[in-house]
This record gives sequence, structure tokens and C-alpha cells, in this order.
Amino acid sequence: QKEVEQNSGPLSVPEGAIASLNCTYSDRGSQSFFWYRQYSGKSPELIMFIYSNGDKEDGRFTAQLNKASQYVSLLIRDSQPSDSATYLCAVNTVGNQFYFGTGTSLTVIP
Amino acid sequence: EPEVTQTPSHQVTQMGQEVILRCVPISNHLYFYWYRQILGQKVEFLVSFYNNEISEKSEIFDDQFSVERPDGSNFTLKIRSTKLEDSAMYFCASFGTGKGIYGYTFGSGTRLTVV
Repeated sequence: QKEVEQNSGPLSVPEGAIASLNCTYSDRGSQSFFWYRQYSGKSPELIMFIYSNGDKEDGRFTAQLNKASQYVSLLIRDSQPSDSATYLCAVNTVGNQFYFGTGTSLTVIP
Repeated sequence: EPEVTQTPSHQVTQMGQEVILRCVPISNHLYFYWYRQILGQKVEFLVSFYNNEISEKSEIFDDQFSVERPDGSNFTLKIRSTKLEDSAMYFCASFGTGKGIYGYTFGSGTRLTVV
């Protein structure tokens, strides 16, 4: 059973703060890791992917991967109210199969 | 920017009726998927399709479900006899690599309501 676990939240942060979203996965064969943002009633939208240990930065977003600990996180700097959404962690395993976590609901308070 | 197109955006059907959900994946992608999301719940994998055949399916994808790529561009999900619990958002996705793009690209979804 391939599991992807996320804290469902809700996570609330004030505008301008750093939001930290965490995800753990069970399958050590997982190859790539993705963060998607989903607004209510909309489809998931890819924010970032990472496949090497360490940090990867893209604008206000930083993805962090630790394969030894089977842990991936997403940091959002200078959080904005428009960042309020559900953030889905997804893990890509052999065969290009994706498994999603349940998502973390983030609210950025103006 | 290339996108995955799904039609219709919303479908209401009576229990027991057949529905076909349509998707046009990104043209140079080779892997295609259907996912569903029941309101308030997680995105659940249904089926993956590669090289004109199913490569993997979940336990949700029972005999009531089928997929086809009838003409090389469309990718369809058929539910033969809908049940109330099939009410959900159905997302098509395609996977590929390319300039700056890696990972699934989701369509905007079809909201299926079974009454």
C-alpha cells in the first residue's frame, strides 16, 4: 500500500509570514515529488516538483526533499491571501503512477 | 500553454444511466489518467493508460468503468450504470516531459452528479 500522508490542517498564517506544509510517503521507490495547489471546485495546479535531495526554490516557493526520512515539504514565503487553497503532495512511483495525499488546507489571513 | 480539455464541465444523470466523460490530453503526451475526487475528499487514482491499453487500475475501477482512446486524440471514461456514489469531480490528466513542464497536467474536471 503506497501512502502519502499530509496534515489536513487547516493551517492559518498571517499575510507575509512563511507557511510550511509537510508530507511523508511510504514507498522508498518513489522517484519524484510534486506539490499541487487546488482551489475549491477547481482542478489541481502544479506548483513545483523535486526529485533530488535538498532544496529547490522557485520564486516564493521552496520545496525540500529528504529521501532518507521519506519527507518532502513546501515553504511559501511572504504568504498572500491568494495563496489560500488546499495543497496536495503527490508522489511519482515506478510506472509513472501518482499517489496523492489528502491535502493541507491553508488560509492566509490579511 | 498546452492544456488538457475536458467536456462536459458538469453532467447530471439518473442512477443506472451510462455516462461518457471526454478528455483531450496534451498532444505529445503519452500517459493518460483518470482521477476522481468526491467532494471534500482526496484525489483518487482510477486508471492509467499507455500505448493504447490500461497500464494500471485501482480497485475503484471495476467492471462498470471503461476507458478508450477512440481516435488518437480523445480519451474517454465510460461509466456503464451510474450509482449515487459515483457523484464526484472526475479529472483527466496527461503526463509528459518537455520544456519547463514535468508532471501531470490536469484538465479542469467534469462534475458528475448522479440523482
